[in-house]
Amino acid sequence: DTGVSQDPRHKITKRGQNVTFRCDPISEHNRLYWYRQTLGQGPEFLTYFQNEAQLEKSRLLSDRFSAERPKGSFSTLEIQRTEQGDSAMYLCASSRSGRALEETQYFGPGTRLLVL
Amino acid sequence: GENVEQHPSTLSVQEGDSAVIKCTYSDSASNYFPWYKQELGKRPQLIIDIRSNVGEKKDQRIAVTLNKTAKHFSLHITETQPEDSAVYFCAGLFGSYIPTFGRGTSLIVHP
Repeated sequence: DTGVSQDPRHKITKRGQNVTFRCDPISEHNRLYWYRQTLGQGPEFLTYFQNEAQLEKSRLLSDRFSAERPKGSFSTLEIQRTEQGDSAMYLCASSRSGRALEETQYFGPGTRLLVL
Repeated sequence: GENVEQHPSTLSVQEGDSAVIKCTYSDSASNYFPWYKQELGKRPQLIIDIRSNVGEKKDQRIAVTLNKTAKHFSLHITETQPEDSAVYFCAGLFGSYIPTFGRGTSLIVHP
């Protein structure tokens, strides 16, 4: 499978614990995005990387959230001191930069987080 | 930030009927409008997109129309089938690489 992959697919944790998710983008894609999706809503942007540089972060992203893409390939999203409100599907997407602004994003299967 | 309004939130049709989902945006110019289909428990998948230099694009039973003056774009599905049942999201790119998504339309196609 040469698509975007995410690990784990499901995570159950207790409030206050830290969790880390991984995303592997499509290999030739230099842009990587993290989204959060809750039931009945569209994907909500969290942060975005071009290669290893984190270029944009949502104002909604609290300081408990951190993301890295150290070598410009896979990325990790860490949530510290999880809260019940963090329960959601965390989606990763990737795209390839080009001359045009518009670029198709391909989504991974997501990591479903449940905070008890 | 830019807001994308999507209607209806739920759409129920009989197999073989057409389905239309409409999205509107407010202030900013956008050049690119993708549509995603998300089946229950699965990832959003791009089904069709349209760029601002065209008013309509068609791919088999799916078509998208764009009216930049009125700032709305619509998804049209003809001859609907039960496997078309899913949540559909519209999106737009407004001056950045970050798409703004609508809240989704749950399409139910009854056999």
